[in-house]
Amino acid sequence: DAKTTQPPSMDCAEGRAANLPCNHSTISGNEYVYWYRQIHSQGPQYIIHGLKNNETNEMASLIITEDRKSSTLILPHATLRDTAVYYCIVSPLPGAGSYQLTFGKGTKLSVIP
Amino acid sequence: SQTIHQWPATLVQPVGSPLSLECTVEGTSNPNLYWYRQAAGRGLQLLFYSVGIGQISSEVPQNLSASRPQDRQFILSSKKLLLSDSGFYLCAWSSDGTGLRHLNTGELFFGEGSRLTVL
Repeated sequence: DAKTTQPPSMDCAEGRAANLPCNHSTISGNEYVYWYRQIHSQGPQYIIHGLKNNETNEMASLIITEDRKSSTLILPHATLRDTAVYYCIVSPLPGAGSYQLTFGKGTKLSVIP
Repeated sequence: SQTIHQWPATLVQPVGSPLSLECTVEGTSNPNLYWYRQAAGRGLQLLFYSVGIGQISSEVPQNLSASRPQDRQFILSSKKLLLSDSGFYLCAWSSDGTGLRHLNTGELFFGEGSRLTVL
């Protein structure tokens, strides 16, 4: 069973910031927060990951609360191509025993023109 | 650079027929390999993962099996397909955690997917 909770769907106006929440209240100290997205009929694409500090890359920003029990993925200027299912996953890094990412149902983000 | 390929991209098979999906990875050694399945309208389900040649772990009991005959080759098979085997199958790889720290991000790299329809 997934260790994260996400809203099933969200809408966002094109050009606005999309803020996707994720709850992971049982996260362990060695587990990272990963975000992936899946555009229809394609394999999931890695977006970003973090342990406890906020992270930013060319795709998105990841804000992790101080207690690490929740996080928010921010797409600063959503475009129509950002319409996808977004998955939040918690996992340790490879090397800490068997490494496997368990995908929940994710959040279906629809960017509206 | 690393690449992952899986094939065939699409196939339609009758119930009871065999199945073989193949996945190969290039540009890395000793990767962790995974098979996921996504049924229509549902999330990704991990089927098998492998940390080395001949080492297969099954997550879901079913009529599917996996094999890893070579370091960078992962095969998904079935002797007799069921209707419920229809879905979108994805192969993926990740580092094994023994490489350089800055490369050991835990990122999963997915193939293009194979869409299986069992009739």
